[in-house]
Amino acid sequence: GAGVSQTPSNKVTEKGKYVELRCDPISGHTALYWYRQSLGQGPEFLIYFQGTGAADDSGLPNDRFFAVRPEGSVSTLKIQRTERGDSAVYLCASSAMSGFLAGTLGEQYFGPGTRLTVT
Amino acid sequence: GDSVTQMEGPVTLSEEAFLTINCTYTATGYPSLFWYVQYPGEGLQLLLKATKADDKGSNKGFEATYRKETTSFHLEKGSVQVSDSAVYFCASEGDDYKLSFGAGTTVTVRA
Repeated sequence: GAGVSQTPSNKVTEKGKYVELRCDPISGHTALYWYRQSLGQGPEFLIYFQGTGAADDSGLPNDRFFAVRPEGSVSTLKIQRTERGDSAVYLCASSAMSGFLAGTLGEQYFGPGTRLTVT
Repeated sequence: GDSVTQMEGPVTLSEEAFLTINCTYTATGYPSLFWYVQYPGEGLQLLLKATKADDKGSNKGFEATYRKETTSFHLEKGSVQVSDSAVYFCASEGDDYKLSFGAGTTVTVRA
């Protein structure tokens, strides 16, 4: 079946602009995660949704970053007043379940990422 | 919070050589441990995992054993191929369901 998809694959924007990054999770997956990967680093957690609600947004760096998942499927990561330091690859992942009982259903499947460049 | 430290690269090997990438973790509680791989031009893929102490994860000839006493999860492969060239990430997942990743190790295998 289809995996996690993310659009756009690349986004170049000017400093100060607003951007939206979209994630389509695997159909039926209730948990959705956003990570940010800077050059030469591993991905860093941003936010986690269980269904429509943000269960944990502790990784969002500041209030310029916001994410929604209004219908419990597609999610949008929104960045206001972009800064050059926001340049990174933004990764989305989804899993069928979460929680300590999830077992193999908790495996996170990653999308290809959106490369954001702020000039 | 949880953190993962992995061997820095890059690592360059000849085909059929032995590969090991060291990974250690710090965590409260008993995390699940993972190795993810990112092939050129592709997204992150789960390579193997272990969910409790002494478990061994294995896939595609790669192995890693969850060592609680040394808080380690080293990745090994006995005979690498050119197709194993990729970036490898060690990761841990605690009770908060978030993955904490190492910085990644770039492996290049030469024919």
